[in-house]
Amino acid sequence: QQQVKQSPQSLIVQKGGISIINCAYENTAFDYFPWYQQFPGKGPALLIAIRPDVSEKKEGRFTISFNKSAKQFSLHIMDSQPGDSATYFCAASSTSGSRLTFGEGTQLTVNP
Amino acid sequence: DADVTQTPRNRITKTGKRIMLECSQTKGHDRMYWYRQDPGLGLRLIYYSFDVKDINKGEISDGYSVSRQAQAKFSLSLESAIPNQTALYFCATSDLDGGLKTQYFGPGTRLLVL
Repeated sequence: QQQVKQSPQSLIVQKGGISIINCAYENTAFDYFPWYQQFPGKGPALLIAIRPDVSEKKEGRFTISFNKSAKQFSLHIMDSQPGDSATYFCAASSTSGSRLTFGEGTQLTVNP
Repeated sequence: DADVTQTPRNRITKTGKRIMLECSQTKGHDRMYWYRQDPGLGLRLIYYSFDVKDINKGEISDGYSVSRQAQAKFSLSLESAIPNQTALYFCATSDLDGGLKTQYFGPGTRLLVL
């Protein structure tokens, strides 16, 4: 069963635009929500992560917004650049375990 | 990440063959994981290990087995490969650092089962 649902599956954005990827989770025990970025031919790498004690976390052009009551979180990429073109995975885990549950992935293309 | 290496990087095999994918890490992490990636399905956990004596099934372990030969080595075996095991396979490691659970992935092995 997919406990973390991610959308959209693919996204095309113009350079300078805002990319938004959404995730929803079911397990209320989840308390750690990372985003991973994967370039072609590479393994995923941690991009940014949030815990539910804050509603937003920003690192440069990347922002996670978190809505605990709705059990949703999203990644916003401001001023999107062609170099941001990659596959993005949201994930979730709980403090009691060390397993990450990943979403289905979003293939982002930023056109020049 | 050069700290996590996987061999081979690409492999073509035939249905029914036994194959082994290997993972080595120099990060000194205790925890190691095997995932498979399929388009539209994301990353799914096959097996994970918290130390040499601890092996756990993930969500899709059927048809796979693993061996943790040392802290730094974790191998995935397909005893009798079948075409629907064609996928991209990733090894990952992690350690608890301030409560965070960052996982570090290898470059992947692309497997084709004919």
